[in-house]
Parts: sequence; structure tokens; C-alpha cells
Amino acid sequence: EIVLTQSPGTLSLSPGERATLSCRASQSVSSSYLAWYQQKPGQAPRLLIYGASTRATGIPDRFSGSGSGTDFTLTISRLEPEDFAVYYCQHYGSSPFFGGGTKVEIK
Amino acid sequence: QITLKESGPTLVKPTQTLTLTCTFSGFSLSTSGVGVGWIRQPPGKALEWLALIYWDDDKRYSPSLKTRLTITKDTSKNQVVLTMTNMDPVDTATYYCAHEPYGPHRFDYWGQGTLVTVSS
Repeated sequence: EIVLTQSPGTLSLSPGERATLSCRASQSVSSSYLAWYQQKPGQAPRLLIYGASTRATGIPDRFSGSGSGTDFTLTISRLEPEDFAVYYCQHYGSSPFFGGGTKVEIK
Repeated sequence: QITLKESGPTLVKPTQTLTLTCTFSGFSLSTSGVGVGWIRQPPGKALEWLALIYWDDDKRYSPSLKTRLTITKDTSKNQVVLTMTNMDPVDTATYYCAHEPYGPHRFDYWGQGTLVTVSS
């Protein structure tokens, strides 16, 4: 079973700053099966990125994904007020698993 | 337009069996490559994937919960049903169903979720 570890647990930043979120897998995984989601309080998760780097429909281009092997990154180039939320990575091997999440909070 | 909605009891007692229904529209579970999954989230905690069923009736379960879970589909009713046996207070969570499209695996549409509390 592949374990996804997200870091940091919490990221404190100001609007306009760049956010870099990490997702590390316990063993090498296919980037085709790596996705990122955003979740705001009281809402269902929203798909941001799939295939490690492909933005989902309607996702602004300030969101980008990269990485391969065991290390993947979600980057938000300039934080907007609506981007403060919790972010999860997900890998699908024989079945899907989620990381523990990174909270991006306003500094 | 794809929509999904979860329904079921909001309160169950310990040891009881939980049955949740996901009713969807905007797609068919008879379309090649399509799946519907269940994911839960305890209050203040991370997402946990539970089960997935595909158009061809292929079923996947969380290894840690597979002895307690059953997922089925009714294509004619556009519904997916999840049952979880022997409920415990630690199973208190918001339960989501989500659509998995053909292609690279991801959940692109989610239901609003339903909070299930396990308490005597």
C-alpha cells in the first residue's frame, strides 16, 4: 500500500504570495495517477489537477502541478483570497488513496 | 451536467449496518470506463477512500475496510449503494460519492456529502 505524505501540514502565507505544496509517495508511482484537490470548509473537494500536471476544467492557470516518481508539487503562483483552503493529493494504484492534506491559511 | 447526491440515515447505532445511496444524473454507469466512488471524512480529518464500482461491475475496496464494505450499482435507477457493517463511533464522518470519468484516474464531480453520526 502506497502512503502519501503531504508537507507542510500548514502553510501560512499572504495573498499574492506563491504557495508550494509537497506530496511524497512511499514508493515510486505513475504520474498519470496523481491528482490534487482543494477543499473549503463545509464543501466537497474540488478537482484541481490530474495526471500530475493537467488542470481540470475551469481551474485557473495560477494552479500548476509537477513531479514524478515519489515527489510531486502543487504550486499556486499568486494566492488569491479564495485559495485559502485545504489541499489533498491522491494517488490511484490498485485503488485510490489520499494524503493527509495541507492547510493554506492567511498569514 | 453531472450531479451526485448522497442519501441515507444521519444517525446509526453502534453495531448497526449503514446503507447509503448515491443518486446521480448527467452520466450513465453503463458507459465504458466510468466509475462511482465513495469517500469519507471524519470531522476535522483527512479524506479516506472507501470503495469504487465501475461500469463493468469491477469493484474496489479500501484494504483496511474491505471486510465491512459492499458496493453495488443499479444502472437503470442511476444509483450506487454502499453498505458498511458493524458501525462504530469512529465511523462518524461525512460520506461523499464521486464520479470517476474515463481516462486518468480522478474524481471530477462530487456530491455534497452526508454526515453520518454513530452513537447510541
